[in-house]
Order: sequence, then structure tokens, then C-alpha cells
Amino acid sequence: EAQVTQNPRYLITVTGKKLTVTCSQNMNHEYMSWYRQDPGLGLRQIYYSMNVEVTDKGDVPEGYKVSRKEKRNFPLILESPSPNQTSLYFCASSTRLASYEQYFGPGTRLTVT
Amino acid sequence: ILNVEQSPQSLHVQEGDSTNFTCSFPSSNFYALHWYRWETAKSPEALFVMTLNGDEKKKGRISATLNTKEGYSYLYIKGSQPEDSATYLCAFSGDSGGYQKVTFGTGTKLQVIP
Repeated sequence: EAQVTQNPRYLITVTGKKLTVTCSQNMNHEYMSWYRQDPGLGLRQIYYSMNVEVTDKGDVPEGYKVSRKEKRNFPLILESPSPNQTSLYFCASSTRLASYEQYFGPGTRLTVT
Repeated sequence: ILNVEQSPQSLHVQEGDSTNFTCSFPSSNFYALHWYRWETAKSPEALFVMTLNGDEKKKGRISATLNTKEGYSYLYIKGSQPEDSATYLCAFSGDSGGYQKVTFGTGTKLQVIP
């Protein structure tokens, strides 16, 4: 089954404790992206990647890191999480470019206390 | 950050009514406009991607049009059904933000009353 998976689905953590949210897709997609969703603000792009070893900042990259060492995986790293990073996070992938439809993962609900 | 606006923010319609929503985006440096449907407790699912001025797309009772010169897209739902209840998102990518950056609107929340 073609899908984007994210882990964990739910996470409660404390300020400053490094964490990684994994994202994996099995569709051989070149393009992958991370978004956060906050009430009233909609989905905002954090980082995106056009292919292995090619990543770039979205609109809200501060406090996040990403890597793309393999085509299928695109982890989101929070080196020192803060309460303002409490949010619902989505990973998405698409064929080649942003002009193609994106397939979204199930979301990760992160709470930083 | 590019400005992508959707209206209305929310909408209640009776089953069987037809309805439409608007997405406004920058009219310059257009690359692609996406529509997604987002049901509660699920992930957004793609409805349409449009790249050419004048594009019209249709999937069942849902259709969309695109005007890149004036910077708007309409999403139409004909004969709304309760299962159409969801938040409808549009997303824009354009040259000024980098072709691969995607900016979402805040969505139109549709509730169809049986």
C-alpha cells in the first residue's frame, strides 16, 4: 500500500530534550516536506527536500533541522524543543515537484511542556 | 511569506445544496495551485492540482477553476452530501517564494446538514 508513515504519532516531552520525528514514504517520491498546523494559522511549511541531500527552508524553519540521506526518509529534528513548538506536524511527499499532488502522513501531535 | 486567503472561513449548507469557496493568491510568478480536503482526525487528501490559467478540473460532484491572471481559484460542490463535510484547503507555489515552497490558506470549513 502506497503510504507516508510518521512516528511517533503522539509525543509529550519537556523543554530542551532533543527529539526526532521520523517520516518515511514507499512511493519513490523525490519531493518531501514537513508542515506544522496551528489553530487559525493553517499548514505552514517548515522544510522541504527535492531529493537526497537537497533540503531547503520553508516559511517557519527556526528551531528545526532535517536531513535527507535516503530517498524514502525525511526526519524532523528538534534539537532543543520549546513550548511554542507544540503543534500538529505533518510530513508529505510528492513526485518530483511541488506542482504534483502531495500525499500526507497521519500526523504527529507534539506537546512540549 | 506569501498571502493565500480563503473565503469563507466556514460554511453550513443543507444536504443537496450546491456551494462554492474561493482561494486568492498572488497573481504574479504563478507555478501551481492545489486543493485538498481535510476531514477531522485524518490527513489532508489531494483533490486537484492546477498549473495553467483557465484550468478546470472535476472529480465527481466537485470541480475547480483557476484564474492565474487575477489570482483566484474557485472550488464548487454540486448537491452537497454529509460526507462532503470537511475543511477544504488551497495551496499555492510560485516563483517568488521558490517553486518548491508551498503556502497554504487557512481553509474553508464546510458542514453539510442532513
